[in-house]
Amino acid sequence: GEDVEQSLFLSVREGDSSVINCTYTDSSSTYLYWYKQEPGAGLQLLTYIFSNMDMKQDQRLTVLLNKKDKHLSLRIADTQTGDSAIYFCAENNDMRFGAGTRLTVKP
Amino acid sequence: NAGVMQNPRHLVRRRGQEARLRCSPMKGHSHVYWYRQLPEEGLKFMVYLQKENIIDESGMPKERFSAEFPKEGPSILRIQQVVRGDSAAYFCASSIKTGGLGYNEQFFGPGTRLTVL
Repeated sequence: GEDVEQSLFLSVREGDSSVINCTYTDSSSTYLYWYKQEPGAGLQLLTYIFSNMDMKQDQRLTVLLNKKDKHLSLRIADTQTGDSAIYFCAENNDMRFGAGTRLTVKP
Repeated sequence: NAGVMQNPRHLVRRRGQEARLRCSPMKGHSHVYWYRQLPEEGLKFMVYLQKENIIDESGMPKERFSAEFPKEGPSILRIQQVVRGDSAAYFCASSIKTGGLGYNEQFFGPGTRLTVL
């Protein structure tokens, strides 16, 4: 079946930028999503990008999509301790989620 | 408009007992997904259901696990004869429509944390 892959851990210092990467295999996906899970909670949609876009910016968040390489990234500018969470990418065709990247922000 | 509801939030079972996890989707949503999140691991897809139909159960263990989404009432994930390895957080999500070309946000419930003693 189709797959979505992410690295499992990322650690950054407060104020730095974080970049979380994701690769997917389903070329028919038309929407790609980033979800955030805070400790002890369910997932919440953070942002999404339509497949005909290369980039989407939303305040501190920048989503980059390379459709040719099936690579998606989420950049968080000026990372804060409150950004510490698990971040999941997902695609809309089969609604498959990556395993999640645990972001740790050190003061 | 209430979000996705799951109950119980915490469930403790002894080995060999049955666990029943309930999920009420958001109003108007007819698609339900179940996921399992093991401690310190990622989110694993289990099953995708529409009302009265299992659409995709490719992530469901072949034995002891079953899921249903009846015409009336919540979706149920049932685990028979639980073992310690079943201890995990089980999340339900609902969406208004299936995948394909359209925008399809999944709305997640708060999860049921199952502990098997």
